[in-house]
Amino acid sequence: NAGVTQTPKFRVLKTGQSMTLLCAQDMNHEYMYWYRQDPGMGLRLIHYSVGEGTTAKGEVPDGYNVSRLKKQNFLLGLESAAPSQTSVYFCASSYFEITERFGGNTEAFFGQGTRLTVV
Amino acid sequence: DAKTTQPPSMDCAEGRAANLPCNHSTISGNEYVYWYRQIHSQGPQYIIHGLKNNETNEMASLIITEDRKSSTLILPHATLRDTAVYYCIVRSNSGGYQKVTFGTGTKLQVIP
Repeated sequence: NAGVTQTPKFRVLKTGQSMTLLCAQDMNHEYMYWYRQDPGMGLRLIHYSVGEGTTAKGEVPDGYNVSRLKKQNFLLGLESAAPSQTSVYFCASSYFEITERFGGNTEAFFGQGTRLTVV
Repeated sequence: DAKTTQPPSMDCAEGRAANLPCNHSTISGNEYVYWYRQIHSQGPQYIIHGLKNNETNEMASLIITEDRKSSTLILPHATLRDTAVYYCIVRSNSGGYQKVTFGTGTKLQVIP
């Protein structure tokens, strides 16, 4: 998945600690997303961004904050980590949606994931 | 967003065609059907997408029924490396943004 890079790849936190996950893309995509993946739950959208300086809540936003100060970066923050936030986190990015009339490829590109454990 | 329903798991013999079904009976007229797959511990990978017509690329074929209420992803000659979880999703296009919502997918096991 060239173009979307997540750091770190692994992290162990103690309950109550804070951390920031960084997602960087070099494809000039407008849209960026943060997902979490838990066993048997599929991918669930946490927050997303439709452009630099904008953020919006997804399906499971509680306990997380995000920022998109630069177009190429999307940060996911945990202010006070809880064991329920133990998960694998995926970042994704995609182009602005182009309507069917003009065609267009709106596939999303994913990073390789961050495995977070909160103890 | 339209909901999708997929079987939780399927097996396929190596070298045979793998046909993965997906129901999306509430899909609206401007929503696309996308397929992604996720190989163990990796990020999801785009496979193919379509609106009304059948589509084919180097990875797979996508067959969408005429009423668009269901679709089938076809891997023509499955290999062991195709073992993965396959997600069928419908892309929302509300308010100018696109939100990709994933379900639990189908776990495809390719058997030697």
